[in-house]
Amino acid sequence: QKEVEQNSGPLSVPEGAIASLNCTYSDRGSQSFFWYRQYSGKSPELIMFIYSNGDKEDGRFTAQLNKASQYVSLLIRDSQPSDSATYLCAVHRVEYGNKLVFGAGTILRVKS
Amino acid sequence: NAGVTQTPKFQVLKTGQSMTLQCAQDMNHNSMYWYRQDPGMGLRLIYYSASEGTTDKGEVPNGYNVSRLNKREFSLRLESAAPSQTSVYFCASSPTSGRINEQFFGPGTRLTVL
Repeated sequence: QKEVEQNSGPLSVPEGAIASLNCTYSDRGSQSFFWYRQYSGKSPELIMFIYSNGDKEDGRFTAQLNKASQYVSLLIRDSQPSDSATYLCAVHRVEYGNKLVFGAGTILRVKS
Repeated sequence: NAGVTQTPKFQVLKTGQSMTLQCAQDMNHNSMYWYRQDPGMGLRLIYYSASEGTTDKGEVPNGYNVSRLNKREFSLRLESAAPSQTSVYFCASSPTSGRINEQFFGPGTRLTVL
């Protein structure tokens, strides 16, 4: 079992819809969780992080964390074609030092 | 601030050649990392340096060596390149250890080994 799993996609949504990206992790001791966006041919850039159960909102983005079920999700409201990218989930545990463990990413395509 | 910079952006090597990938950050971060990214595999950690003077192996260290030259610079060396090392290499840095380990990435080096 991979430590961090994501559906590779592609996930296709129409412009203006809500895109829902999911990530599950195997280490129950994981403490903080990150969503990175990566455009084709570019480097990853951080969108959000979350470390408490529940929802965290930032503009059109909402991260949701459920530690009991070991999943974290990213919702993108009012999806735009410019949101088309690969979304990487990463998890961190203080006991592992400064390392992040990344999932393979989900490709999102927003169709206009 | 330039953030994290990497050189070169592109490189083609022949099997058995050696090269060093350079990385520098101007954010006064303590920790630095080298990842490789292959299609469908996500980012895999090669080596990291939690602080100046220390380096540790990551998930896929074989065939690589690193040097933390100073707080700003962290280089990755391929002593004898192999086609399996064809990949995109990203350097990253983060400010500190602890609960929130936000990492900032450089633009990447696209390496092809023939």
